[in-house]
Amino acid sequence: AQKVTQAQTEISVVEKEDVTLDCVYETRDTTYYLFWYKQPPSGELVFLIRRNSFDEQNEISGRYSWNFQKSTSSFNFTITASQVVDSAVYFCALSPARGQNFVFGPGTRLSVLP
Amino acid sequence: EAQVTQNPRYLITVTGKKLTVTCSQNMNHEYMSWYRQDPGLGLRQIYYSMNVEVTDKGDVPEGYKVSRKEKRNFPLILESPSPNQTSLYFCASSLGTGYSNQPQHFGDGTRLSIL
Repeated sequence: AQKVTQAQTEISVVEKEDVTLDCVYETRDTTYYLFWYKQPPSGELVFLIRRNSFDEQNEISGRYSWNFQKSTSSFNFTITASQVVDSAVYFCALSPARGQNFVFGPGTRLSVLP
Repeated sequence: EAQVTQNPRYLITVTGKKLTVTCSQNMNHEYMSWYRQDPGLGLRQIYYSMNVEVTDKGDVPEGYKVSRKEKRNFPLILESPSPNQTSLYFCASSLGTGYSNQPQHFGDGTRLSIL
């Protein structure tokens, strides 16, 4: 069985603070993919990143960075120098590399205050 | 423009009255899926389809039906809706040729209220 846990239900930060969103997953598969999606207040779901379980290199994209640690089954997401436009619900998700289902975590609501 | 289109965007209906939410994608994607989003539960997969005439249950299929007669369309059918199906529904599609491991493109969502 697959499961994704995002223990932080809601986080509030002040603009320009750094913030890390936690994601812990469970799977019996040896190969799998992890994803992060953003859902801004307007409601659409925006794809942010996909990471293969064989690739444990951290990734940075502008103010966003992701820390994948297979040993702790975690795929954490950090926003550096947060901005008000980062306010959204963020979902972590998991898919087996050779499967057909897709599992989302419950999401973390991030509020960035001016 | 590449997109996933869901209709209707909003619907208020009554218990037991059959309804269909349509979903269409113009990206020639093979993989399509339906999710429901409820507070505190994230998105839960209802049904998915790997290709035409190939569908399978996700984590919460009870009370729903789907069909995939054409590659572009994947309607969600509630034969006898009940209040516990009040939710925000998303359709998604991806390139996944045989598997679900590609990024999914989502529709704008359909908010269903069943009284």
